[in-house]
Amino acid sequence: GAVVSQHPSRVICKSGTSVKIECRSLDFQATTMFWYRQFPKQSLMLMATSNEGSKATYEQGVEKDKFLINHASLTLSTLTVTSAHPEDSSFYICSASLGAGATDTQYFGPGTRLTVL
Amino acid sequence: GEDVEQSLFLSVREGDSSVINCTYTDSSSTYLYWYKQEPGAGLQLLTYIFSNMDMKQDQRLTVLLNKKDKHLSLRIADTQTGDSAIYFCAEKSGTASKLTFGTGTRLQVTL
Repeated sequence: GAVVSQHPSRVICKSGTSVKIECRSLDFQATTMFWYRQFPKQSLMLMATSNEGSKATYEQGVEKDKFLINHASLTLSTLTVTSAHPEDSSFYICSASLGAGATDTQYFGPGTRLTVL
Repeated sequence: GEDVEQSLFLSVREGDSSVINCTYTDSSSTYLYWYKQEPGAGLQLLTYIFSNMDMKQDQRLTVLLNKKDKHLSLRIADTQTGDSAIYFCAEKSGTASKLTFGTGTRLQVTL
C-alpha cells in the first residue's frame, strides 16, 4: 500500500519551454501533496505544499509563477515548470499524505529528473 | 528555522552493524523519520519514532532517540550490500505536516 507514482521519470527539454510533471497516489486518497527539489548530492528542499482543491503554499524563495502547482483531485497533483532554463535542471520529487497533520506520514514518488538544455 | 545535521559518509563491512547519526535543533519535534534513497530513485520510508519514545526496533533496524540532546540514530544490524544508499533523517514539528530533512548520509557497504 501507499504507492506514489511520478510521470515522466526523466525529461529533457529546450530552454524556454514548459514541462509538466504528474504525481499520483495509486492506492490512497492524498489530501496533501508536497513537491521537493533535490540538487546533486544534496538534501531535499521543500518547494510547496498543496491541498486538494485549494491554492498551494509556497516556501520562501520559490517563485509561484515559475512553478505552477495544481492539485485538482485527491489522487493527482501536477507541477509545471514554466519557461524552463538550465538552472531549473534538477531532480523533482513529490510526496503524498492522507492529511496535513503531524501524524500523517509522507509517501514519496520515485522522482523526475529534469534536464533543460 | 529548524536545522537537521548528519555526517556525510559512512563505510562499513558487510555483516557489521551500521550506525547513522542525526542531530536536530527543533525542541518541538513530534515525529522523526528515517528514509532511504537509492541512486536515481525517490525516498523509501524505513521507520519513524514518536518524540515520546526512546527506542523503536523493526527487524534489522533500531532507532534510538535522545530527546534531551536532540540526537537520533539508526542502527542497521548485519549490514548487507543492498543497504548501500543515502539515508536521510527528517523531523516534523508541532501540528504541521512539513518535513525538514537532514543533509543525508551516504552508506557504503564493502565486502
